[in-house]
Amino acid sequence: EAGVAQSPRYKIIEKRQSVAFWCNPISGHATLYWYQQILGQGPKLLIQFQNNGVVDDSQLPKDRFSAERLKGVDSTLKIQPAKLEDSAVYLCASSSNQGVTSYEQYFGPGTRLTVT
Amino acid sequence: QKEVEQDPGPLSVPEGAIVSLNCTYSNSAFQYFMWYRQYSRKGPELLMYTYSSGNKEDGRFTAQVDKSSKYISLFIRDSQPSDSATYLCAMSGYAGKSTFGDGTTLTVKP
Repeated sequence: EAGVAQSPRYKIIEKRQSVAFWCNPISGHATLYWYQQILGQGPKLLIQFQNNGVVDDSQLPKDRFSAERLKGVDSTLKIQPAKLEDSAVYLCASSSNQGVTSYEQYFGPGTRLTVT
Repeated sequence: QKEVEQDPGPLSVPEGAIVSLNCTYSNSAFQYFMWYRQYSRKGPELLMYTYSSGNKEDGRFTAQVDKSSKYISLFIRDSQPSDSATYLCAMSGYAGKSTFGDGTTLTVKP
């Protein structure tokens, strides 16, 4: 079974530029998550999708961050304009929605963003 | 105060030692308790998952949950150098959203 795919793996941009990250979840997984992980901290949920609908985006800085999951499969996360404090690893995870296994999240390798 | 507090570490132990990793939490709605392992420059990997209070064992790993004290632990027996990683606790209520601790970095020395 293929895992969660993310691209790019690394990205360096200047502040005020825009950037986009892509995620392809495990086949058949209805739920997709985007997390931000700042160095030395645990992952912080930015947005959770169930199929192509948003379940939770309470911690997404909506003035600069946006995310979409068209057709309930792939997802993109965009930052525009980027700030220095956005430097972090952006992790995508997916889970099935089959009972208790919905709590088992499978993570991709992440995209390491550096804003200069 | 954070909803989930994790012993910060770092922790360094000799090979073969028993390791104890701990988290406390404040939200009584948490029902599912997970431990993830994260190697450097990789995404977290689910190690163990426990529902409500009690113990769960999987090979050299044992997870304990004490809901009355809002305290969870992960024990690693006969630790190996390959166990060197950052360990993250995570907790969920029924809505499925997980809240993570900040991780404890473990180094097991040969």
